[in-house]
Amino acid sequence: DAKTTQPTSMDCAEGRAANLPCNHSTISGNEYVYWYRQIHSQGPQYIIHGLKNNETNEMASLIITEDRKSSTLILPHATLRDTAVYYCIVRVAGGSTLGRLYFGRGTQLTVWP
Amino acid sequence: GAVVSQHPSWVICKSGTSVKIECRSLDFQATTMFWYRQFPKQSLMLMATSNEGSKATYEQGVEKDKFLINHASLTLSTLTVTSAHPEDSSFYICSASGLAGVGEQYFGPGTRLTVT
Repeated sequence: DAKTTQPTSMDCAEGRAANLPCNHSTISGNEYVYWYRQIHSQGPQYIIHGLKNNETNEMASLIITEDRKSSTLILPHATLRDTAVYYCIVRVAGGSTLGRLYFGRGTQLTVWP
Repeated sequence: GAVVSQHPSWVICKSGTSVKIECRSLDFQATTMFWYRQFPKQSLMLMATSNEGSKATYEQGVEKDKFLINHASLTLSTLTVTSAHPEDSSFYICSASGLAGVGEQYFGPGTRLTVT
């Protein structure tokens, strides 16, 4: 069962920052927040993950609230190629079957010119 | 990032036949591999988790005798859809993790199965 809540869809202008929210109010202390995205008819692509500190990589930034009940994925300069479904997932990192990913419906981000 | 491939990328088969889908980690050893299914306009559904050299763990509601999973090596897992029916038509996606589920999973490009 997905343990996250995301808006169904969002729009963003090209070149602007895209801020995708995610609620995970029942997250446990040993669960990480992962973000993946899926471009139509392709396999999902890993974006970023974090436990409690904010994280940044070449693709995005992840801001996790202090109580860890919500997070925001930030794409600093969205491009048309960022149009995809974005999935926020909480999971335990470690063990063989503990790392399973349960996908919710995600957020369809549409970047327009 | 790590690369995972799937073969074939698409397949059409007749009802009642079996189809095998391969998932390979190309540049790392995958201790754990996962298989997902995705119907049109729906999210990915985890089917099973497989660890190299051991039996797969299936999610509730997934028929283990219909979806045979073999993870014989650290770079290869196969999913065989036995006696396929039109309702098995779907997008099948595998993912691989290098350290017993720790860290991010890397996904293959998916296999589109159509059963006629």
